[in-house]
Amino acid sequence: EAGVVQSPRYKIIEKKQPVAFWCNPISGHNTLYWYRQNLGQGPELLIRYENEEAVDDSQLPKDRFSAERLKGVDSTLKIQPAELGDSAVYLCASSLDQRNEQFFGPGTRLTVL
Amino acid sequence: EDQVTQSPEALRLQEGESSSLNCSYTVSGLRGLFWYRQDPGKGPEFLFTLYSAGEEKEKERLKATLTKKESFLHITAPKPEDSATYLCAVQGPGYALNFGKGTSLLVTP
Repeated sequence: EAGVVQSPRYKIIEKKQPVAFWCNPISGHNTLYWYRQNLGQGPELLIRYENEEAVDDSQLPKDRFSAERLKGVDSTLKIQPAELGDSAVYLCASSLDQRNEQFFGPGTRLTVL
Repeated sequence: EDQVTQSPEALRLQEGESSSLNCSYTVSGLRGLFWYRQDPGKGPEFLFTLYSAGEEKEKERLKATLTKKESFLHITAPKPEDSATYLCAVQGPGYALNFGKGTSLLVTP
């Protein structure tokens, strides 16, 4: 069974530029999560989707971050404009539903110069 | 507010030297406590879920236990391939996972 797929794996951009990350969850998983992980820290939740509905986006910086999950399958996370402090690894995870264990993708390492 | 504290931050063991990692937590209404393993440059890999105090789960050289305030990940006779960062996370009523900072484990031959 294929795992969670993320792309790109690495991204280097100048500050104030836009950037987008893509995630394809495990087939059949209704719940999708975006996390941000800073060096030496655990992942921090940005947004959680139940099918195509964003049910928890309380930690998403809405002035510059946006996300969508059209058709309740794959998802895109966007940052516009990027700031130096946005440098981190962005992880996508999915689960059968909100009660079950989450399976993570390999992440996208973002460097903002 | 949920809090998760892992200790030690880093641990170095000789191959075969058993030890335990600690995860202390505070959460109002624990739905589950999760252990993950993370290798450098990779996403966290799911290991265990524990739901109630007294529960134990095992997988190869790893055994996870849970009390009302903390969880332990016991590593028996570790091998170099067990070297990784081990993350603990709690799930509260809102279903979000709140992670600790992790314990970085190095097992030397």
